[in-house]
This record gives sequence, structure tokens and C-alpha cells, in this order.
Amino acid sequence: EAEVAQSPRYKITEKSQAVAFWCDPISGHATLYWYRQILGQGPELLVQFQDESVVDDSQLPKDRFSAERLKGVDSTLKIQPAELGDSAMYLCASSYPGQGRGETQYFGPGTRLLVL
Amino acid sequence: GENVEQHPSTLSVQEGDSAVIKCTYSDSASNYFPWYKQELGKRPQLIIDIRSNVGEKKDQRIAVTLNKTAKHFSLHITETQPEDSAVYFCAASIGGYQKVTFGTGTKLQVIP
Repeated sequence: EAEVAQSPRYKITEKSQAVAFWCDPISGHATLYWYRQILGQGPELLVQFQDESVVDDSQLPKDRFSAERLKGVDSTLKIQPAELGDSAMYLCASSYPGQGRGETQYFGPGTRLLVL
Repeated sequence: GENVEQHPSTLSVQEGDSAVIKCTYSDSASNYFPWYKQELGKRPQLIIDIRSNVGEKKDQRIAVTLNKTAKHFSLHITETQPEDSAVYFCAASIGGYQKVTFGTGTKLQVIP
């Protein structure tokens, strides 16, 4: 069964450094989501792509976070500079609109970020 | 925007008993309500979902009910087993390409 891939799985960095996370959605999934999940809380949407276009980035801290999906397939989420409060799990998810179940999101394993 | 509240935050049940988790949503336009299960250290996985054109949906030991008038929906797990122990998240969406808003999660512990 196809799965969403993410790397790295774990990242430790010092504050003020730059970090980048990569996500490869399930083949054919046009919609890609990046979430931040703080321990004990539900996933919070950071950015949503439809193909290569951003459809929602209202909760993305744009002064330090950026996301791209240049060819409409894989995606990169970057933080620069990282802050202590960015320590969290970063989850990527994808979905395939058009079958009446477009909202069903399939999550990747996540990248756990620790900022020291 | 949409706001989803979830209760309780933690729930302990004896093996074999039933568990109920409740969620409320604020946007009456929401029409898609998925439930995700997240085991410790693992990714969230969809376990059941319901759309606003139905009031109840079952899948073996899991069922979800929806009350559109009151804007709340619930997850029911019967004959609980230790492997049901996990964090469960409800969510709500207007559908299509719209944003999915998650609840804060319920940590379910099934005691053998």
C-alpha cells in the first residue's frame, strides 16, 4: 500500500539555525498538507497545496516559515531561523480529490523537531 | 473559521466496555467529519468518517453519530480491546479542498 514519505524522521537543531523537511505524497494525490502537532494537541494546518498552488497558508508564520511544491509533487517546508517554540512534530498529508472522498487525508510518519 | 471542541481529553475504560468521545463544531457549513486514531509515535490514521447527509455510520465495533442541528458528533467504540488504546482526533471540514480542523484529541486507555 502506498504511503506518504517524510524525511528526516528526527531533527535536532539549535535556535537561529535553518531546518528543512521533505515530503513525498502518495502518487497521484493533488492535495498536500503540512501540519504542526504540538505534544498533546491536534494537528494544526500550516499550509495546503493544490498541485503547485498554495490554497491556504493563513496559519503559516511567514516571517520564518516557507513551503514550496514546485512541480506539484513533493514538497519542502523550511524554517529559518528556528526558535525554541518550533519544537513539535511536523506532519505531511495528502489526499486525492475527485472520488467523493477527496477529504480523506493520508498522513506521513512525521518529522520530530527539537530546537535547543 | 471553524472551531472543533473535543471531550473528554482522557478516558479510561475496562476491556470490553464501551467508549464514547464527543465533538462539537461551530461552522454550520461543515459537512465532512472524519475520525483519526494516532498510536504513540505513529501517524494519524483515518478510522471512520461521516458526511452530513447521514446521521449514523458503523464499521464493526466503531460507529459515529452526527446531529447537524446541535452541531455535534460522537465516536462510539464497543467491546473495547487493549489495542484500541490511542489518541483519537475528531475533525470537521466544509469539504472539497477546504481546510480540515482537528479537535484537541482524546487519550483512550483500555485497561485489560
